[in-house]
Amino acid sequence: AQKVTQAQTEISVVEKEDVTLDCVYETRDTTYYLFWYKQPPSGELVFLIRRNSFDEQNEISGRYSWNFQKSTSSFNFTITASQVVDSAVYFCALSKNYGGATNKLIFGTGTLLAVQP
Amino acid sequence: DGGITQSPKYLFRKEGQNVTLSCEQNLNHDAMYWYRQDPGQGLRLIYYSQIVNDFQKGDIAEGYSVSREKKESFPLTVTSAQKNPTAFYLCASSNDLTTEAFFGQGTRLTVV
Repeated sequence: AQKVTQAQTEISVVEKEDVTLDCVYETRDTTYYLFWYKQPPSGELVFLIRRNSFDEQNEISGRYSWNFQKSTSSFNFTITASQVVDSAVYFCALSKNYGGATNKLIFGTGTLLAVQP
Repeated sequence: DGGITQSPKYLFRKEGQNVTLSCEQNLNHDAMYWYRQDPGQGLRLIYYSQIVNDFQKGDIAEGYSVSREKKESFPLTVTSAQKNPTAFYLCASSNDLTTEAFFGQGTRLTVV
């Protein structure tokens, strides 16, 4: 069975602190994709990153970075120098591409990040 | 602008009534999805459609129905058989060239 675990329910930091959001996944598939989405208070999910199971390179995008480690089945997300605008719920998700357009996401329960000024 | 439009943003339903949530996309995506979000929980898949006139049940399809008569549209009907319909509903779409799904802004359904 596929499963995504985000053990941190809520995290509170002060602006400019670095923060890491943890994501651990379970799957028996050899080909899969991992995602991070941001859900601001307005409700829509904003896509942040997609990583396929064959690409373990870490990625950096501005203040965001992602650490993918297959050995520990983890896909952690770090925000450097956090800002108030980073306050949101962050979801980690897992999917298997069935060779067509179908792409079903399995979501973790999310981590609520509150950045205090 | 390309995107996914969900309407209405807020919806109130009386017990025993069916209600339909609208989802329209102009991204030319083949696949569309409906997810349900409850407080403190992740999103759960209700239904998905890979192509026009075809759709499949997700993990929590009971009490819901969908149709896919047009590529751009994937409405969700919450029937009276759904025992706990109060939730936040999110529609998404993706195409076969990428695997990331794009989401609408959601509809918050409340049973009164």
